[in-house]
Amino acid sequence: DAGVIQSPRHEVTEMGQEVTLRCKPISGHDYLFWYRQTMMRGLELLIYFNNNVPIDDSGMPEDRFSAKMPNASFSTLKIQPSEPRDSAVYFCASSSTGREEKLFFGSGTQLSVL
Amino acid sequence: GESVGLHLPTLSVQEGDNSIINCAYSNSASDYFIWYKQESGKGPQFIIDIRSNMDKRQGQRVTVLLNKTVKHLSLQIAATQPGDSAVYFCAENYASGGSYIPTFGRGTSLIVHP
Repeated sequence: DAGVIQSPRHEVTEMGQEVTLRCKPISGHDYLFWYRQTMMRGLELLIYFNNNVPIDDSGMPEDRFSAKMPNASFSTLKIQPSEPRDSAVYFCASSSTGREEKLFFGSGTQLSVL
Repeated sequence: GESVGLHLPTLSVQEGDNSIINCAYSNSASDYFIWYKQESGKGPQFIIDIRSNMDKRQGQRVTVLLNKTVKHLSLQIAATQPGDSAVYFCAENYASGGSYIPTFGRGTSLIVHP
C-alpha cells in the first residue's frame, strides 16, 4: 500500500489566492482527518470525515476554510482567500473503523502564503 | 514582523542511553492512547499504543506506561540510537458525539548524540 498520499508537497502562494490541498487516504480506511501543524499551536484537528461525511468541522478556523470528500479515495482542503497566517504544514490522516485505531499520516503539504 | 514560536521541550541523550519522554493528558474519559514519532519533513508515525485498562505495554525497545490517577503517560526508549532523533507526540482518544477523536499533545524533541 502506498500509504496516505498528499499533494502538493510544497505550495507557495500570494495572499488572497485560492489554495487547494489534496489527499488520497489508504484504501479501505473510512475515517479521514485534516490537521494543521504550526510551532505556536502544534497539531490541530481541523475536520474529520467518516464514510465521506463530515462529522466535526469545529476546528476549521474560519469560513475561508472548506473541506470536501466526494468519494472514499479523495479529499480536498480549500482556503479562499488565503492569508499569511495560514502558513503551516497541513496533514491528512486516515484510519479504519473503531475507537482504538491509529492514524496513518501523509507527508504533509508545506503551505507558505506571502 | 518577527514571529515568536513556542519551543518544544527537548530531551538530549547520548547514544546507548535510555530515554524517557513524558506526557500529561487532559481528559479523564480518554481510554486509548498512542505515541507517534515525527521525523523532520515527515508526518507522524505510530510507535505504540495502550488501552486504559492497562498500565504498561512493551514493544521493541519501547515501553509505554500509563498512570490514570494523575493522567500521565510516558514513553521509554531503550538503548537510544541516532535514528530515534525526532519529535514524539502522545495522543489521547476520547468520545465525542459517537466518534473517537484523537487529540495530540505539544510534542517533545528527542536529540540523540552519537
